[in-house]
Order: sequence, then C-alpha cells, then structure tokens
Amino acid sequence: DVKVTQSSRYLVKRTGEKVFLECVQDMDHENMFWYRQDPGLGLRLIYFSYDVKMKEKGDIPEGYSVSREKKERFSLILESASTNQTSMYLCASSFTGTGFPEQFFGPGTRLTVL
Amino acid sequence: AQSVAQPEDQVNVAEGNPLTVKCTYSVSGNPYLFWYVQYPNRGLQFLLKYITGDNLVKGSYGFEAEFNKSQTSFHLKKPSALVSDSALYFCAVRDIGGNNRLAFGKGNQVVVIP
Repeated sequence: DVKVTQSSRYLVKRTGEKVFLECVQDMDHENMFWYRQDPGLGLRLIYFSYDVKMKEKGDIPEGYSVSREKKERFSLILESASTNQTSMYLCASSFTGTGFPEQFFGPGTRLTVL
Repeated sequence: AQSVAQPEDQVNVAEGNPLTVKCTYSVSGNPYLFWYVQYPNRGLQFLLKYITGDNLVKGSYGFEAEFNKSQTSFHLKKPSALVSDSALYFCAVRDIGGNNRLAFGKGNQVVVIP
C-alpha cells in the first residue's frame, strides 16, 4: 500500500525556534511537495522537489527552506518559527510520467507556534 | 496563472439526495483537473481526474465529475450522498512549472445530514 508518513501529527514550538518537519515516502516517487493548509485559503505550495538535492520554490516560500538528501525523504525547515506559521503542513509525493499521476498525501502535521 | 474557484464554502445535503460540489477553472492551454477529498484528521485522498477524453469522469467511492469546456467547470457529483461523505473537498488544476505541480482551490466543506 502506498504510504507517505510525516514525523509528527502535532507539534508545539516557540517563536524563534528552528523547526524540522520530516516526510518519508515508500513509493520511489521522483516528486515531493510541501503545502500548508489554512481555512479559507486551501492548500498553498511552499516548496517542491523533483529529484534528490533539487528543489524549487512554490507560491509561499518565505520563511521556509527544504532539504532532500535521499529520494524517499523531504524535510521542511522553519529557520526561525513565527506565530504566522501556525498551520497544518501537508507533504505529498508523485511519480513523473504521462497522464499526470496523482499526488499521494501524508496525514499532516499541525504546528502551533507560541 | 492557472487557478480554480470553489464558490461555496459549505454544501449541506440530506442523506440519499444528490450531491454536487462546484468548481470552475481558469487556465491557459488544456486543463488537467482533479478532485481530492480530506476526511477529518486525515491527509488528502485522490478521487478522480480529467486529462482528456470523455467529459464524464468516474472516480472512487461512487463519485463522478463532468468536464464542461464552454462553462469552464468541473463539478463533482454523487447520485446519493452518504453521511460518510461528510468531508472537505478540493478541486485542483495542473499548474505551470511542470513536475506534477498542482494549484488547489480553497475547498468545500460537505455536510451530509442524516
């Protein structure tokens, strides 16, 4: 069964802390994505990666960075957490191929920054 | 930029009645359109997609969607709603930039009333 896992379901951090969110997929997908989900705004793409060590900015990259050292793992880093980064963070992965393969999502990490 | 609009915040429907969740799109080129569902405390799950071919697309859990080019719409439908269909539904479109990137709508909360 296809699986995308995220390191934490709930996380509480303090303003200014460095935060790491981890995502692992077991499907050998080339593409991995980080979104944040906020009520009334839907999903917004933060960063994505189409190969190991490759990354591209999404629509809202400010305040975030990412790392992809291995194909199965994609990390989202909040260099200095702020209260406006309190949100639900969703990781997804997909193949690259014809027919535009769908994205598979993890369960999400609800981050609260105090 | 590619975008989708989901005009309603919440859709209420009685169990057994037809369910429709609306989505309109704005794209340059041919649209690749998707529907995803998010059950409470879960990640998004793929329901169906339109790439090309028949305008009526069938998907998971008895859902279907109709692609209408003249109205630039891709409404999600189910003939008879179940209480278990209560969830958040997202429409999405292939975004520019390649690598299976998607642009999501804001989501529609569906409440099926017993």
